[in-house]
Amino acid sequence: AQSVTQPDIHITVSEGASLELRCNYSYGATPYLFWYVQSPGQGLQLLLKYFSGDTLVQGIKGFEAEFKRSQSSFNLRKPSVHWSDAAEYFCAVGGDLSGGYNKLIFGAGTRLAVHP
Amino acid sequence: NAGVMQNPRHLVRRRGQEARLRCSPMKGHSHVYWYRQLPEEGLKFMVYLQKENIIDESGMPKERFSAEFPKEGPSILRIQQVVRGDSAAYFCASSPPQPNSPLHFGNGTRLTVT
Repeated sequence: AQSVTQPDIHITVSEGASLELRCNYSYGATPYLFWYVQSPGQGLQLLLKYFSGDTLVQGIKGFEAEFKRSQSSFNLRKPSVHWSDAAEYFCAVGGDLSGGYNKLIFGAGTRLAVHP
Repeated sequence: NAGVMQNPRHLVRRRGQEARLRCSPMKGHSHVYWYRQLPEEGLKFMVYLQKENIIDESGMPKERFSAEFPKEGPSILRIQQVVRGDSAAYFCASSPPQPNSPLHFGNGTRLTVT
């Protein structure tokens, strides 16, 4: 079955520290992978996406993610976190098995808190 | 260019009433998706529509839920005879018809059933 696992429900980091949010997926075909961010009471904003090609993907707000097929992972990273990065982060997968990539399967999310 | 517009932002209904959620996609977008987010969970796909057509409703509950995207006007997600378990955030997203176009999400409608 297709699924996305985000092992960390809550993460707290200090401002200026590095960040890595984990995402593992299960998908029976070539995956399209996404990271979205959701601020409280808001919709989801796309941070970055991977379809093919270079496995290191650059996104907005200084985020990047690396696709590792052998580990079925698509972890999100940022070298230096800002207080405004506090939000909930969702990893999602789509592809041909989902009837088209926009029928996405989301993880349960990781809530990021940033200490000053 | 306005983003995806959803209204109302918050909706309170008593058990047994009907809820109507509206979504106006971004200009130039002809594909609309509805997702539901239960508390402490990720988003779950409900339905995918194009103008006047339901393409995939595999995520919709079989009863009480319906969706439409008419030729003119917004997409509507309708929930009849609401129950407490319908309380959730309902998100609409849109995309243009080109392949590999990413989704743009609205700010959601938070439905509370009392």
